[in-house]
Amino acid sequence: AQTVTQSQPEMSVQEAETVTLSCTYDTSESDYYLFWYKQPPSRQMILVIRQEAYKQQNATENRFSVNFQKAAKSFSLKISDSQLGDAAMYFCAYRSGHAGNNRKLIWGLGTSLAVNP
Amino acid sequence: GAGVSQSPSNKVTEKGKDVELRCDPISGHTALYWYRQSLGQGLEFLIYFQGNSAPDKSGLPSDRFSAERTGGSVSTLTIQRTQQEDSAVYLCASSLRTSTDTQYFGPGTRLTVL
Repeated sequence: AQTVTQSQPEMSVQEAETVTLSCTYDTSESDYYLFWYKQPPSRQMILVIRQEAYKQQNATENRFSVNFQKAAKSFSLKISDSQLGDAAMYFCAYRSGHAGNNRKLIWGLGTSLAVNP
Repeated sequence: GAGVSQSPSNKVTEKGKDVELRCDPISGHTALYWYRQSLGQGLEFLIYFQGNSAPDKSGLPSDRFSAERTGGSVSTLTIQRTQQEDSAVYLCASSLRTSTDTQYFGPGTRLTVL
C-alpha cells in the first residue's frame, strides 16, 4: 500500500523569505501523480501544484515550485517570497496512475505553516 | 464557474441521530469523492462515484455510513445513529473524469456529535 509522510508538523517563515516543506512517499508503482494542497482556516482544500511522475521537469506555479526526486521518493514544496496569505495547513497527496486504483488520494498528515510579518 | 459547494457548513447533532450532508459538484464533473478529515489526521477516503458506474464504497468505515448520487450530480452522505467518533470535517471533491484529473474540493461540513 502507498503511504505519504510529512515529517514537519509545523513550520514558520518570515514574510518575503523562502521555506521548503518536506514530503516523502512509498510506492511500488511507476505511474502516479503527486499533489500539494493548501487548507486555510476556511477549510477549503486548494490545489497548489501537481506533478506527474513521468515528467522529469519539476512543476512550478508562480512562487511555488517542487523538488521531485523520484528515486528518493521525495516531493518537497518550495514557497518563495512568502506572503501572509500563505499561512495554512499544507498537505502532500499521492494518486495512483493505474486504472482501478486511481480513485482516491492518499494523504500525508499535513504541515502547518505560519508566516511571520 | 461555480466551485464545489457543500451544505450545511456546520452541523451539531446528538449521539444516535441521523444526519445528511450534501454536495453539489462542479457542473460537468462526472467523478465525485467524499473524504473525512478528523482532528489531527489527514484525509480519509470514504466513497467515490463515477458516472453511472457502481460506486466504490471501500472507504466507508461502517454500515452506518451510506451515500447516493442522484442524476449524476448532487450527492448526499448519510450517517445513521451518529457516534461521537463521527465528529469530523466531511469534504467533498469532484473531478472532470477520473484517471488523471485534478480533484477540486468544497469547503466541507464540520460535524459535531454531542
